[in-house]
Amino acid sequence: GAVVSQHPSWVICKSGTSVKIECRSLDFQATTMFWYRQFPKQSLMLMATSNEGSKATYEQGVEKDKFLINHASLTLSTLTVTSAHPEDSSFYICSASGTNYSPLHFGNGTRLTVT
Amino acid sequence: GQQLNQSPQSMFIQEGEDVSMNCTSSSIFNTWLWYKQDPGEGPVLLIALYKAGELTSNGRLTAQFGITRKDSFLNISASIPSDVGIYFCAGLNSGGSNYKLTFGKGTLLTVNP
Repeated sequence: GAVVSQHPSWVICKSGTSVKIECRSLDFQATTMFWYRQFPKQSLMLMATSNEGSKATYEQGVEKDKFLINHASLTLSTLTVTSAHPEDSSFYICSASGTNYSPLHFGNGTRLTVT
Repeated sequence: GQQLNQSPQSMFIQEGEDVSMNCTSSSIFNTWLWYKQDPGEGPVLLIALYKAGELTSNGRLTAQFGITRKDSFLNISASIPSDVGIYFCAGLNSGGSNYKLTFGKGTLLTVNP
């Protein structure tokens, strides 16, 4: 079945630095990738939709200059949290959709802790 | 926007018992999905439902797509300790390149051995 790989699985960074999270589709071409954020004991909140070769579409209230998304190839999307602050600490999860797949499969998530 | 009401929020059951949880929506979805999430991991797809009225099983799990397309339930029979986790329903209205999921708030399941 479709496999989505996310890296790193966890990262700790200092306030003010930037962190890049990768999302890869391993056995299919992902024309669309989705980035979610999840706070403890809460549901997944969609942050943005990333289409290969075009600009990402951000959900209301998500700062596009803070959460930079790049989807330069059909198998890789990256989320960069710029100038991270402690309130950006969260669990970030991606999912991917291809021409023959619905977005049914998620990566294993990245736990970001900003100190 | 679309909202999903998922209930119950949490359940504490004994091993061997059956479990039922459901989701309702204020609007129609053309696909319903059920996921399980273990701590520190991404959601794993359990069952996908594509047609109103559809009843689908996956081992001890059974899910149904409501006939009105505004609700779905998930049943787990003969629960075991590894069923512990958070279960999420999600609705999807796919069209063209739009595959945006709407998630319920989750049901936390605890199974006592």
